[in-house]
Amino acid sequence: DAGVIQSPRHEVTEMGQEVTLRCKPISGHNSLFWYRQTMMRGLELLIYFNNNVPIDDSGMPEDRFSAKMPNASFSTLKIQPSEPRDSAVYFCASSQLTGAASPLHFGNGTRLTVT
Amino acid sequence: AQKITQTQPGMFVQEKEAVTLDCTYDTSDPSYGLFWYKQPSSGEMIFLIYQGSYDQQNATEGRYSLNFQKARKSANLVISASQLGDSAMYFCAMREENSGYSTLTFGKGTMLLVSP
Repeated sequence: DAGVIQSPRHEVTEMGQEVTLRCKPISGHNSLFWYRQTMMRGLELLIYFNNNVPIDDSGMPEDRFSAKMPNASFSTLKIQPSEPRDSAVYFCASSQLTGAASPLHFGNGTRLTVT
Repeated sequence: AQKITQTQPGMFVQEKEAVTLDCTYDTSDPSYGLFWYKQPSSGEMIFLIYQGSYDQQNATEGRYSLNFQKARKSANLVISASQLGDSAMYFCAMREENSGYSTLTFGKGTMLLVSP
């Protein structure tokens, strides 16, 4: 059974460019999460979806960030325009919808570097 | 206030010894779940063990066990017989009922180094 798949693994871009990160959750999982990890702030929840519907995007830093989930098997996180402070590892994770016992299963992350 | 506190930035242990990684949490929900994740230097986040707030027994998964002290709001991870491959960052996390169990809040992590 494939895990959460993220692409690309690494992205290097220049300030001002648009960046799109992609995620395919585990089949049958109803919840999808985007996290950002930095040394200073640790793991931060950016946004999560239940049944493809965004539920809480209060963690999205600003309007430059947007996320979509057009169907149950695909999500994107877009940064436009990108800035050097956006440099981080971005994780996508998925889980079953209900139950405190459902762990989040993480992808391998996308390491973003904005120069 | 932080929901998850991991007070040990780093821990050192010799191979084959046991080590305890501390985690305290803050919640007013009667129903919640506690999780530990391992993040090796390669970067992936690996789920290790889960403890539910109503579970009477401490969770165990192979060499991992969770020392759950509900009254103290602590959920320490115990790794027995440490191996070199256990060297990694370890994160404690919580899912609360009042968020519909939807979000997982993480601590800052503890870096574990296992020496030969």
